Amino acid sequence: AQKVTQAQTEISVVEKEDVTLDCVYETRDTTYYLFWYKQPPSGELVFLIRRNSFDEQNEISGRYSWNFQKSTSSFNFTITASQVVDSAVYFCALSGASGNTPLVFGKGTRLSVIA
Amino acid sequence: EPEVTQTPSHQVTQMGQEVILRCVPISNHLYFYWYRQILGQKVEFLVSFYNNEISEKSEIFDDQFSVERPDGSNFTLKIRSTKLEDSAMYFCASSTFRDRGPAFSGYTFGSGTRLTVV
Repeated sequence: AQKVTQAQTEISVVEKEDVTLDCVYETRDTTYYLFWYKQPPSGELVFLIRRNSFDEQNEISGRYSWNFQKSTSSFNFTITASQVVDSAVYFCALSGASGNTPLVFGKGTRLSVIA
Repeated sequence: EPEVTQTPSHQVTQMGQEVILRCVPISNHLYFYWYRQILGQKVEFLVSFYNNEISEKSEIFDDQFSVERPDGSNFTLKIRSTKLEDSAMYFCASSTFRDRGPAFSGYTFGSGTRLTVV
């Protein structure tokens, strides 16, 4: 069975601080996909990134960066110089490589950025 | 950019009534999904649908739920006799390709339907 653990339920930071959201996953699949989604107060799920299990290269997109480490089954997300608009719930998710495998979400981390 | 469209955005219904949540997936996508998010909780898988039949369903997806692709474009979730605990945000999603190789581009989610059962 696949499982995603986001141990941090809530994080509060002051604007301009860096913050890392942790994600640990479990899967028996050798090929899988990892995702991060942002859910602002309006409720929609905003796709941030997808990472294949065979690509461990870290990725940076503006103030966002992701650290994928297969050895520790982790896919952590860092926001540099946080802004108030980053306040949201962030979900890490995992899917297998089969078309029948659903996307499994972690419980989410609520990030509050205080001005 | 192609979108998954869900209607209505909000629905209020009385306990025991039937509701149908509608979704228009992206036209060239092959897999369709429904997810549920009870307020303040995580997003939970309900059901996946491929080739006009259910591919996989969770234990949440019991006999009160059904899905249908009635006309080749819409994808619906029906809740037969709603309960208070069915109050949640329901997300539809679709994905590309049967073969999830490197070309797999992920899931596209709709904006959700917020269902309130009173």
